Amino acid sequence: QSALTQPASVSGSPGQSITISCTGTSSDIGNYDLVSWYQQHPGKAPKVMIYEVTKRPSGVSNRFSGSKSGNTASLTISGLQAEDEADYYCCSYANTRNFWLFGGGTKLTVL
Amino acid sequence: EVQLVESGGGLVQPGGSLRLSCAASGFTFSSSEMNWVRQAPGKGLEWVSYISTSGNTIYYRESVKGRFTISRDNAKNSLYLQMNSLTAEDTAVYYCARGYTTWGGFENWGQGTLVTVSS
Repeated sequence: QSALTQPASVSGSPGQSITISCTGTSSDIGNYDLVSWYQQHPGKAPKVMIYEVTKRPSGVSNRFSGSKSGNTASLTISGLQAEDEADYYCCSYANTRNFWLFGGGTKLTVL
Repeated sequence: EVQLVESGGGLVQPGGSLRLSCAASGFTFSSSEMNWVRQAPGKGLEWVSYISTSGNTIYYRESVKGRFTISRDNAKNSLYLQMNSLTAEDTAVYYCARGYTTWGGFENWGQGTLVTVSS
């Protein structure tokens, strides 16, 4: 099964809001509320920003929010800051054959 | 503070073997479901394998089935990945990741260990 589909890149100016989409199928995103989002700075390990579609781990800024509609999940970052510039990956539990699928990643540039 | 520290990566020839280790601290390892996730150079993340708290339930992605073996030692707070018959496609940074019990994502990640398969 193919990876989830994300835009290769998005950009925004400081203070603006951006949304990154993650499109799957009815077998993964559309079938489970088990979508998560990860931030990865160059050379660093991924960090969970959102889990179970909308939940934010302790310590993650409330500028980050998640949602889902049908087979597409979204990550919204409001009040963009320079430190938000990173790669972002979505992930969804798929099924007992593929288990967890990741998106190809989206590079966020803060202009 | 939760810490996951991977080790055991390195350069190995095609067809060779390598054993990765992940030392866990700062949380109750024996109650945590664990995973290995990898990232090829310049590429995205890819889930590799899962092991339940007791080690009785194990899953692998199709491309590593029969070649990789995940295991854990709860007494030593350690996770392992035995990798055999390695190919160039296995070249990646391998991360140890603690999973949410709901399977809703990966809560904690190690810093990763690089495995390079090349002659």
